[in-house]
Amino acid sequence: EPEVTQTPSHQVTQMGQEVILRCVPISNHLYFYWYRQILGQKVEFLVSFYNNEISEKSEIFDDQFSVERPDGSNFTLKIRSTKLEDSAMYFCASSEARPDRAEAFFGQGTRLTVV
Amino acid sequence: GQQLNQSPQSMFIQEGEDVSMNCTSSSIFNTWLWYKQEPGEGPVLLIALYKAGELTSNGRLTAQFGITRKDSFLNISASIPSDVGIYFCAGTYNTDKLIFGTGTRLQVFP
Repeated sequence: EPEVTQTPSHQVTQMGQEVILRCVPISNHLYFYWYRQILGQKVEFLVSFYNNEISEKSEIFDDQFSVERPDGSNFTLKIRSTKLEDSAMYFCASSEARPDRAEAFFGQGTRLTVV
Repeated sequence: GQQLNQSPQSMFIQEGEDVSMNCTSSSIFNTWLWYKQEPGEGPVLLIALYKAGELTSNGRLTAQFGITRKDSFLNISASIPSDVGIYFCAGTYNTDKLIFGTGTRLQVFP
């Protein structure tokens, strides 16, 4: 069964450093997303990406964050100058169409710890 | 902004019991989804609902999209130990993003 894969599974970084989280969405999907989940809290939307551009972003997704689809398979989230409060699970998801028309499938997540 | 409130927050039940949980919002959605999350894992889709009033089953799970479009419920029949996890509802309305609920933590005792 096709699945969304994320690497690394766990990343520890020092405050102020840049991190890149990587995702390989399901191959025939057109919409890509990043969500985050702070420990013990609900899952929060960060950004959606369609047709090689950001289609929607939340208030959390400020200038510190950027996304890229550098080739036909990878989808990355870059966090510049990380802060302690960026520590969370980051989930990549993908879908064939918008979530009101097609199911969004999530990856296993990357646990980011900022120290 | 849009918020989804789930109840109960947590449930402790015995194996074999039926479970019911719900999700309510002050605003309408045109899609409701139910996800299950186990520790250290990503959310796994259980059921998707696309039409008000829709009732959909997936094995022992049944979910309904409320007529008002502001709520949804999930039932699990004859619970088993592997049902343990956190159940999240999620909704969307003419947008790319899913709004997730606060979660219901389910614990099943043998």
